[in-house]
Amino acid sequence: GEEVAQTPKHLVRGEGQKAKLYCAPIKGHSYVFWYQQVLKNEFKFLISFQNENVFDETGMPKERFSAKCLPNSPCSLEIQATKLEDSAVYFCASSQFRGQGAYEQYFGPGTRLTVT
Amino acid sequence: DAKTTQPPSMDCAEGRAANLPCNHSTISGNEYVYWYRQIHSQGPQYIIHGLKNNETNEMASLIITEDRKSSTLILPHATLRDTAVYYCIVRVDTASKLTFGTGTRLQVTL
Repeated sequence: GEEVAQTPKHLVRGEGQKAKLYCAPIKGHSYVFWYQQVLKNEFKFLISFQNENVFDETGMPKERFSAKCLPNSPCSLEIQATKLEDSAVYFCASSQFRGQGAYEQYFGPGTRLTVT
Repeated sequence: DAKTTQPPSMDCAEGRAANLPCNHSTISGNEYVYWYRQIHSQGPQYIIHGLKNNETNEMASLIITEDRKSSTLILPHATLRDTAVYYCIVRVDTASKLTFGTGTRLQVTL
């Protein structure tokens, strides 16, 4: 499609439960990024993929967070044993090389995770 | 990626030009200046980017100083729908992550 799709829009989990978020990138885009926005203005990069391969995972918390991008499936971000501080909006973005060095990222609408 | 500095907030009257400044004094020769905005709690929206020449598209113009240490995003005729947080980001133009700062909250008023 022409837009990045994210599901679900909202997700509520009790502390300790698992949360799984999904992202369908724009058709033809080979790069996928996950960002976490905890407070209004603070974005934190988590992980990126080139097709199904991890491209950059420098922002990924090692213990409870995992992510995958498998062929012919939406990408996913999974949080095992959620904590209160995981409450945030999680944004997915996709990009593709467009010539002249342009790699602008297109963002989805986000998934709001609330951990209670 | 180089750090950027933006004013925390600005006001603009509807119909007037909004000029949003950004300082990036430590920018490297191969780093581009990108602008994104976030309207309310939506996903960030790409606006424009440039290396050293001024750029214009259907949304905005980007003016980069000759020494590349600062730039200005210009919305030529601001509308209420342009009320948003605007982020100036410098990055090498690869498939690398975006590093967002705190941005400028632009309030467009009647």
